[in-house]
Amino acid sequence: TQLLEQSPQFLSIQEGENLTVYCNSSSVFSSLQWYRQEPGEGPVLLVTVVTGGEVKKLKRLTFQFGDARKDSSLHITAAQPGDTGLYLCAGTTGGTSYGKLTFGQGTILTVHP
Amino acid sequence: GAGVSQSPSNKVTEKGKDVELRCDPISGHTALYWYRQSLGQGLEFLIYFQGNSAPDKSGLPSDRFSAERTGGSVSTLTIQRTQQEDSAVYLCASSAQGAFTEAFFGQGTRLTVV
Repeated sequence: TQLLEQSPQFLSIQEGENLTVYCNSSSVFSSLQWYRQEPGEGPVLLVTVVTGGEVKKLKRLTFQFGDARKDSSLHITAAQPGDTGLYLCAGTTGGTSYGKLTFGQGTILTVHP
Repeated sequence: GAGVSQSPSNKVTEKGKDVELRCDPISGHTALYWYRQSLGQGLEFLIYFQGNSAPDKSGLPSDRFSAERTGGSVSTLTIQRTQQEDSAVYLCASSAQGAFTEAFFGQGTRLTVV
């Protein structure tokens, strides 16, 4: 069984602070995706990274895929209350041609005004 | 509709009863997935459909769980003789075929077994 360990589980910060969420595994993943989920809704894809060492930026969010494709991080700069939500990392495994996802446990982020 | 639609949104059932959960994927998406989200457990893969066939059923937790897909579209997840540990949010996702294509999730069905 391939596991993704996500940390921290909970994060409570003030508006304007920076934060990093980590996603680690002992297994290699062919791709790593980050999702954001609001209460009562399904997860929504933020980004997909597929190349070891890849870095993607979406406005204040920076995503990195580890060189060995076993870990990833999400960094948010100058967090805003609108960033509050559940952040999930999910990986797809090599050897499959379909998008079966293995999810981390998630990080509940609360940004206080 | 434009997105993945699941029904019902909420379902409360008595222990031992059977339940059916429905998923309407995005039109044209050949791949369909069911996941289960329990408190503190993250999302757990249940089953994958390609068209009407299910080449990966490895996540179904017991033989009380079954799923089918008809017409390459609507899917139904059935749980027989529900138990309290079945209480969770059941999420459906659809995507175009491929390992890196975006999965679009429905809003989920919150199942509570009392």
